[in-house]
Amino acid sequence: NAGVMQNPRHLVRRRGQEARLRCSPMKGHSHVYWYRQLPEEGLKFMVYLQKENIIDESGMPKERFSAEFPKEGPSILRIQQVVRGDSAAYFCASSTDSYNSPLHFGNGTRLTVT
Amino acid sequence: AQSVTQLGSHVSVSEGALVLLRCNYSSSVPPYLFWYVQYPNQGLQLLLKYTSAATLVKGINGFEAEFKKSETSFHLTKPSAHMSDAAEYFCAVSLTGGGNKLTFGTGTQLKVEL
Repeated sequence: NAGVMQNPRHLVRRRGQEARLRCSPMKGHSHVYWYRQLPEEGLKFMVYLQKENIIDESGMPKERFSAEFPKEGPSILRIQQVVRGDSAAYFCASSTDSYNSPLHFGNGTRLTVT
Repeated sequence: AQSVTQLGSHVSVSEGALVLLRCNYSSSVPPYLFWYVQYPNQGLQLLLKYTSAATLVKGINGFEAEFKKSETSFHLTKPSAHMSDAAEYFCAVSLTGGGNKLTFGTGTQLKVEL
């Protein structure tokens, strides 16, 4: 049973470019969460999605960041016009429900903005 | 609002010695508390969680944690450290038992020396 799959593992973008991070949840999981880990810091919640719906985006920056989880295919975290401060590790996690099921984390995408 | 504070960003122990990683929480409602471990370039793995069933929680790899309401603490311990325990450890708090929208501490890097 494959775990949470994130790709790419490493992504390098120049300032002003777009970054697209992909997350395929575990089989049978319909809840996806994105977290960001800045250097020397813990993970910070960004957004919680279910299929075709954004449930909670209280941790998302107001501009340049967006997320989706379509009916078919992986969840996408999109960062437009990246800046150096966006350099971080982005982790996706999935679960079967929103209350009692534990989160399963992917290995993350490490974004470097040059 | 919830928060966790991890005292000591770096802890070093000798192999075979007691491991003690400290975590204090703040929560306006009865909290759900978690410890996660992160190995280099990997995602987070759940070690254990407290969901009010028992104050002493046993996790994987010989770790355990005790919930102390009077001290608002949830410290992680292991009687005898092993080299393979070297990793970063995160304490987290959530409003739900599944711990989906987690608030993480800043992490404690555990080093195990011969």
